[in-house]
Amino acid sequence: SQTIHQWPATLVQPVGSPLSLECTVEGTSNPNLYWYRQAAGRGLQLLFYSVGIGQISSEVPQNLSASRPQDRQFILSSKKLLLSDSGFYLCAWSSTGTQPQHFGDGTRLSIL
Amino acid sequence: GESVGLHLPTLSVQEGDNSIINCAYSNSASDYFIWYKQESGKGPQFIIDIRSNMDKRQGQRVTVLLNKTVKHLSLQIAATQPGDSAVYFCAETSSGGYQKVTFGIGTKLQVIP
Repeated sequence: SQTIHQWPATLVQPVGSPLSLECTVEGTSNPNLYWYRQAAGRGLQLLFYSVGIGQISSEVPQNLSASRPQDRQFILSSKKLLLSDSGFYLCAWSSTGTQPQHFGDGTRLSIL
Repeated sequence: GESVGLHLPTLSVQEGDNSIINCAYSNSASDYFIWYKQESGKGPQFIIDIRSNMDKRQGQRVTVLLNKTVKHLSLQIAATQPGDSAVYFCAETSSGGYQKVTFGIGTKLQVIP
């Protein structure tokens, strides 16, 4: 069966520091991969998606970037975090075609 | 835990009763719909999906109803249990190519023992 791993679960970082959140998927090949941010009282906001290695699409302009160095690995990064980057970040995967997305357990990021 | 439940519509249901959670979607081109359950501090968990060629689909204790005329989706949970307490939200997308999914804000379900 397929599983998705996201780490760390929580992270506290100072303003201006770099960020690297990692997500890996097991049990499937060539998945679509996604990074979302979830704010309290709001729906999930899509940040990036990827349909293949090295292929990244950005949905909103921001202080973050994403990379997909391997088929089942998706990384969310920032060179210098802002206070507004605080939030709950979720990674998800789906098979190609019209299939549901499956989420990891998220990373709670707090910027001080 | 995750504070996604703040300012959300809340539905309180007695244990053992049936729950009905509603969702209105906006895009007439959407033809694939998903319900997710999110417990505090966790990621959303897939519950059930339905495609636009159907108006009803049943799973274990859950039923999803789709009314394309009024762009309305509902999730029915039979014999609600304390473990069903969570935030539930719907998602819509259109098939073909990359599937960009639009997620609702969610409804918080509180089960009263």
